[in-house]
Amino acid sequence: NAGVTQTPKFQVLKTGQSMTLQCAQDMNHEYMSWYRQDPGMGLRLIHYSVGAGITDQGEVPNGYNVSRSTTEDFPLRLLSAAPSQTSVYFCASSSLDSNEQFFGPGTRLTVL
Amino acid sequence: EDQVTQSPEALRLQEGESSSLNCSYTVSGLRGLFWYRQDPGKGPEFLFTLYSAGEEKEKERLKATLTKKESFLHITAPKPEDSATYLCAVRAGGGSYIPTFGRGTSLIVHP
Repeated sequence: NAGVTQTPKFQVLKTGQSMTLQCAQDMNHEYMSWYRQDPGMGLRLIHYSVGAGITDQGEVPNGYNVSRSTTEDFPLRLLSAAPSQTSVYFCASSSLDSNEQFFGPGTRLTVL
Repeated sequence: EDQVTQSPEALRLQEGESSSLNCSYTVSGLRGLFWYRQDPGKGPEFLFTLYSAGEEKEKERLKATLTKKESFLHITAPKPEDSATYLCAVRAGGGSYIPTFGRGTSLIVHP
């Protein structure tokens, strides 16, 4: 099992550019989520999904879109990047029963 | 609103100096309390789940305990490789799948 994979590991964007952060898991987990982690702020939930075709907003959803067309994949789209979106992004997955989350290695995003 | 507060924010220990990290929580019907370890530049790694007051779990030098208001992560005779940030999270009952995370305790163990 590869677990949770994320690409890219590093990305630099200019203000206004768009991009997609990829996340995939091979554990057949129903629940997937995206977090951002900033110094002193801890993990903040951006969007989450409880299954294919079902997504919902977390604590800080503005400026981000998600979709869940398959159980395995949960991409995060930045529509028009802003410097405030400079952060480390983590994708996580778990089964609905246990909620013991498995995290990906993260994507470090810098917006200039 | 569910809340998780971890203390201290940072802790420095000498190798072999045992200590405890605290996680205080308020939640509507605890479904589970989780401890994670996060190394610099990596994603959090799951350590333990505790479900009810009085429950304890151990892994090597780590022991997690749970009361109705808080959880402790006891570190016995720590080694430098135990240096990491330790995160606590809770999941409420009532059908919510979203865990609430604390901000973590950064632990440094000096040789």
